[in-house]
Amino acid sequence: DAGVIQSPRHEVTEMGQEVTLRCKPISGHNSLFWYRQTMMRGLELLIYFNNNVPIDDSGMPEDRFSAKMPNASFSTLKIQPSEPRDSAVYFCASSFAVGGQAFFGQGTRLTVV
Amino acid sequence: LAKTTQPISMDSYEGQEVNITCSHNNIATNDYITWYQQFPSQGPRFIIQGYKTKVTNEVASLFIPADRKSSTLSLPRVSLSDTAVYYCLVVPSGGYQKVTFGTGTKLQVIP
Repeated sequence: DAGVIQSPRHEVTEMGQEVTLRCKPISGHNSLFWYRQTMMRGLELLIYFNNNVPIDDSGMPEDRFSAKMPNASFSTLKIQPSEPRDSAVYFCASSFAVGGQAFFGQGTRLTVV
Repeated sequence: LAKTTQPISMDSYEGQEVNITCSHNNIATNDYITWYQQFPSQGPRFIIQGYKTKVTNEVASLFIPADRKSSTLSLPRVSLSDTAVYYCLVVPSGGYQKVTFGTGTKLQVIP
């Protein structure tokens, strides 16, 4: 398996634009997580899916952020409208079982100018 | 949820054994202790997980005392490639919800 695949690896966008980050979890994994990492706040858990259902989105910072998982092999994190303070590295991770080892993707480095 | 405390940074010479201790005083009965490693520009990578006593794999050992209020990650004979940030997490048996990574320990291996 190629591991967790995220796209794009880098994204530069202007303030106010919509940004969509994509994630393909490892096949067979039933839990998916979106994290955000910044120097100031470290790694923050944004939202967590189990069997494609959002379980906890309390880490999503604002209504500008939304995440979907239409099927077991794909998830998106959307920011609309984007703001400079959203600049960060966004990681997607998946695990086989709740509480099991999480495998992280390479991340998407988002820069909002 | 159990909060973890670990040193912000550590330096070590190549070939030395490195021990990173993590405190988790309010760990719950069903919580597991998990360590991740993160290199620059990469996502965290799972190293080891344990519940009590000692766990060893090809990368590291994890020592957990009987009271489980702390744990120690031991890296034998570190090399320059072990320079990374090491995170200690307390993971509920029910999953990763609301688990925070904290600031981690930045390990710098010196030639």
